[in-house]
Amino acid sequence: ILNVEQSPQSLHVQEGDSTNFTCSFPSSNFYALHWYRWETAKSPEALFVMTLNGDEKKKGRISATLNTKEGYSYLYIKGSQPEDSATYLCAFNSGGGADGLTFGKGTHLIIQP
Amino acid sequence: ETGVTQSPTHLIKTRGQQVTLRCSSQSGHNTVSWYQQALGQGPQFIFQYYREEENGRGNFPPRFSGLQFPNYSSELNVNALELDDSALYLCASSLYSGSYEQYFGPGTRLTVT
Repeated sequence: ILNVEQSPQSLHVQEGDSTNFTCSFPSSNFYALHWYRWETAKSPEALFVMTLNGDEKKKGRISATLNTKEGYSYLYIKGSQPEDSATYLCAFNSGGGADGLTFGKGTHLIIQP
Repeated sequence: ETGVTQSPTHLIKTRGQQVTLRCSSQSGHNTVSWYQQALGQGPQFIFQYYREEENGRGNFPPRFSGLQFPNYSSELNVNALELDDSALYLCASSLYSGSYEQYFGPGTRLTVT
């Protein structure tokens, strides 16, 4: 059974501050690591798909890093804004598309004005 | 906007009944995956359909079944509903079975009483 852990479970951050959270996953049989942003009552939105050890990806104020050898990924948000409030999910893919994604429980981020 | 739509938005059923949930994939996508998200958990992979055939399945009993149609839309059927089937059901479409990118719909909230 694959285990994907995210920490912290929830996070309150002051507007303008930067923050980061962690996803840990099995270091064997790695295929891809996904980050999703999920606002209440909307569809999960794909942020990044990371496939190579050492990958770093950036989209605006959000960036992510990947370490497949030790089995972790960090998501960073710089200069948090109220619209960043959402649940951030990571998902591990071990064997290509047919195995589906194994999700963590998510980090619930609340940005306080 | 991902282009993946699901219906209905909400549904209430009684234990023992059967339910059908529907998903329309993003245009051009031939693969659809279904996930169940129970309260407080991350989404769990149910199964995947590629070109109208099931080609991957998670740890769900046979009373969870699906169909994919020639236009690549999909159905999830659940027979003999149990209280624990109460959850948010998400579908995700992708361009092909091994694709890294999966695009999610907003989900169907199923309540079993």
